[in-house]
This record gives sequence, C-alpha cells and structure tokens, in this order.
Amino acid sequence: AQTVTQSQPEMSVQEAETVTLSCTYDTSENNYYLFWYKQPPSRQMILVIRQEAYKQQNATENRFSVNFQKAAKSFSLKISDSQLGDTAMYFCAFMKHGVPNAGKSTFGDGTTLTVKP
Amino acid sequence: DTGVSQNPRHKITKRGQNVTFRCDPISEHNRLYWYRQTLGQGPEFLTYFQNEAQLEKSRLLSDRFSAERPKGSFSTLEIQRTEQGDSAMYLCASSDRGTEKLFFGSGTQLSVL
Repeated sequence: AQTVTQSQPEMSVQEAETVTLSCTYDTSENNYYLFWYKQPPSRQMILVIRQEAYKQQNATENRFSVNFQKAAKSFSLKISDSQLGDTAMYFCAFMKHGVPNAGKSTFGDGTTLTVKP
Repeated sequence: DTGVSQNPRHKITKRGQNVTFRCDPISEHNRLYWYRQTLGQGPEFLTYFQNEAQLEKSRLLSDRFSAERPKGSFSTLEIQRTEQGDSAMYLCASSDRGTEKLFFGSGTQLSVL
C-alpha cells in the first residue's frame, strides 16, 4: 500500500514571497503519478500540478513548480510570488500508473497555507 | 463544461436514518469516483465506476453504503442506518478515459446527529 506524508500541518508566507510545501511518499511501484491539489475555503478541490514519475524534468505551471526526487521519494511544491488567493489547504497525492488504477489516489493529510498581506 | 455537480451541499440527519447523495459528472467523462474526507484529513477513496460498471470498492465502504451509476451518467451514494462516524464531506470526481486528471465537485457535507 502507498502512503503519503505531509509533515507541515500549517504554513504562512507574506504576499509576493516564495514558499515550499513538503511531501514524502512510500511505494514499491516504479511507474506512478504525483499531484498537488488545492482546496480553498469554498471546498472544491482543484488540480495544481502533476508529475509523471518516469520524467526526470520537474513540472512547472506558472508560479507553481515541483522538486521531484524519485530516489528520496520526495515531492515538494514551490509557490513563487505568493498571492492572497493562494490561501488554501494543499494536498499531495499519489496514483499508480495504469488503467485499473486510474483515478484511485492516495492523499496526504494536507498543509494549510495562509498568505498574509 | 459545467463541472462536476453534487447535491445536496449539506445534509443533516439523525442517527439511523438513510441518506442519498447525487453526483453529476462532466458529461463526456466515463469515469466517476467517490471519496470521503473528514476534518483535518485528506480524501479517502471509496469506489469508482467506469460507465455503469462499479469496478472497485474500498474496504471503507461497509455494507451500509451502496453506490450506483445507472446508464453511466449520474451517480448516487446511499448510506443506510447512518452512524455518527459517517459524518464527513463526501466528494465526487470524474475523469475522461485515458487521463489521470480528476475533476472534483464541491462535495456534500453530511452531519449525523
């Protein structure tokens, strides 16, 4: 079974600064996906960024980027130029590759990020 | 694309009552998932459908829980004889075949008194 650990229950950052959220996972699989989801107070979960394990290049989406260290089983999220709208709970998630597993994700317990003006 | 829709947004019920939630996925998505999220934790997988077929159920889904997806369109999740431990946010998500990207609804918050 896979496990996902987010060791920072809460974090805060000043507007316009950079923050990094940590995530580690445990799996014996070699081929999988990793995700970061954002859940603002409105509660709708939104995909922020995804990483395919077979790709060495770190994924980026505008102000969001990841540091994927496969050997260390680490998958951190960096948010640059933080904005007030980034305030939310962030979840790291793992999904095995392959059709039978599609959509069945294992989530961490989340990090609550507060962006301060 | 109107997104994934869930109804009701909130449900308060008394212990022992039955409740039913509905999820309308994005119209062209053939996969539909149910997750449960309790306060301070991440979502936990419950079950998923490909079209009308229920392909997997988590051991979290006791025999009091049943999910259906008639005709491969909307889905319902029913909880019979609710218990206080069933209080949680029930999330629905959908995805298109061949993609791992999930689109979530806003969830149904269940409170069992």
